[in-house]
Amino acid sequence: IAGITQAPTSQILAAGRRMTLRCTQDMRHNAMYWYRQDLGLGLRLIHYSNTAGTTGKGEVPDGYSVSRANTDDFPLTLASAVPSQTSVYFCASSDKRYGYTFGSGTRLTVV
Amino acid sequence: ILNVEQSPQSLHVQEGDSTNFTCSFPSSNFYALHWYRWETAKSPEALFVMTLNGDEKKKGRISATLNTKEGYSYLYIKGSQPEDSATYLCARDSGAGSYQLTFGKGTKLSVIP
Repeated sequence: IAGITQAPTSQILAAGRRMTLRCTQDMRHNAMYWYRQDLGLGLRLIHYSNTAGTTGKGEVPDGYSVSRANTDDFPLTLASAVPSQTSVYFCASSDKRYGYTFGSGTRLTVV
Repeated sequence: ILNVEQSPQSLHVQEGDSTNFTCSFPSSNFYALHWYRWETAKSPEALFVMTLNGDEKKKGRISATLNTKEGYSYLYIKGSQPEDSATYLCARDSGAGSYQLTFGKGTKLSVIP
């Protein structure tokens, strides 16, 4: 692993199903984030974690939950997916001096 | 300005031309301004993190300036090349201890060979 790994790369999900997007980093960054990217809206923050054991809500948290049991992992869960959650999801981690490092994204389609 | 705004939304330039675009942001509660380069089908990559008024950073043909008092930053590309084609994002860090960034919607640059 080098940097941030997201899985899956893409997924088609039936509405109402539960889904967890995985994110793992190997840089020992304290802060991690989940963003969604939608056409015309740019990157919007869903949830963040400043350090292991803590999480916080971003701009668009409804319908999503996160956990941060350790420094490396920051999974994002959709408890009951809806079509409006169709998006590209990016996980990122932060070293404040050098900016964010982003994962390669998960393209999620809810049908 | 309440949000991070970028202009223009998109532009096309000829190979070899120099270009620049603007990021405007709230000047209050400012900690840092980030620039990212985002190529199609890839993930954003950090270009610069700037914190001080008057900061100027350079990486190859790309440079950026920062004015925290009036709330703007410019990104310059000298002698554009086709490989510079990408969306350039700026983001404001208000500090507040949370490391959170507020992103602009980006400027999409297309360099025509």
